[in-house]
Amino acid sequence: DAGVIQSPRHEVTEMGQEVTLRCKPISGHDYLFWYRQTMMRGLELLIYFNNNVPIDDSGMPEDRFSAKMPNASFSTLKIQPSEPRDSAVYFCASSPPSGGSMYEQYFGPGTRLTVT
Amino acid sequence: GDSVTQMEGPVTLSEEAFLTINCTYTATGYPSLFWYVQYPGEGLQLLLKATKADDKGSNKGFEATYRKETTSFHLEKGSVQVSDSAVYFCALSDWGAQKLVFGQGTRLTINP
Repeated sequence: DAGVIQSPRHEVTEMGQEVTLRCKPISGHDYLFWYRQTMMRGLELLIYFNNNVPIDDSGMPEDRFSAKMPNASFSTLKIQPSEPRDSAVYFCASSPPSGGSMYEQYFGPGTRLTVT
Repeated sequence: GDSVTQMEGPVTLSEEAFLTINCTYTATGYPSLFWYVQYPGEGLQLLLKATKADDKGSNKGFEATYRKETTSFHLEKGSVQVSDSAVYFCALSDWGAQKLVFGQGTRLTINP
């Protein structure tokens, strides 16, 4: 398997622009997670899905952030409008059904977002 | 709520030194415990795990033992290599919960 795929790997945008990050989970995994990593705040869970349904979005910082999972093989994280404080590395991770690998998560390589 | 506390970094060691990275946790239930590693420019990857008290997880020369009495899961390696330089994250997943709670990470640098 190719692992979790994220695109783009790097994104530079200007404040106020819309940003869309993309993720393809590992086939057969039914959990998908979005994380944000910064020096100041470490690794933060933003939202996670089970069978394409959002389960917990309590980590989404504000209404400018939204996430969707239209099918089992694709998810997006959108920021509109973007702000400089959104600059971070965004990771997507997927996990097999509960009871499989005892909740092991498989991470993608991340998208480094810079908002100027 | 659940939480994980790791020793402050960064940690710098010479090659072949002994490594310990401390990790303690607070959980309402009976969690599974994990160590993840992040190499430069990459995502996190699972290093080892333990699912019940006194279990020892091991991989690539690293070990950690689930200590319920001290709520700890310290990471150890007897002889580190330059290639072990990375950021190490301790994490837990409470029973019945799918999401992970991560510590703040510890940056490890090994000098030749």
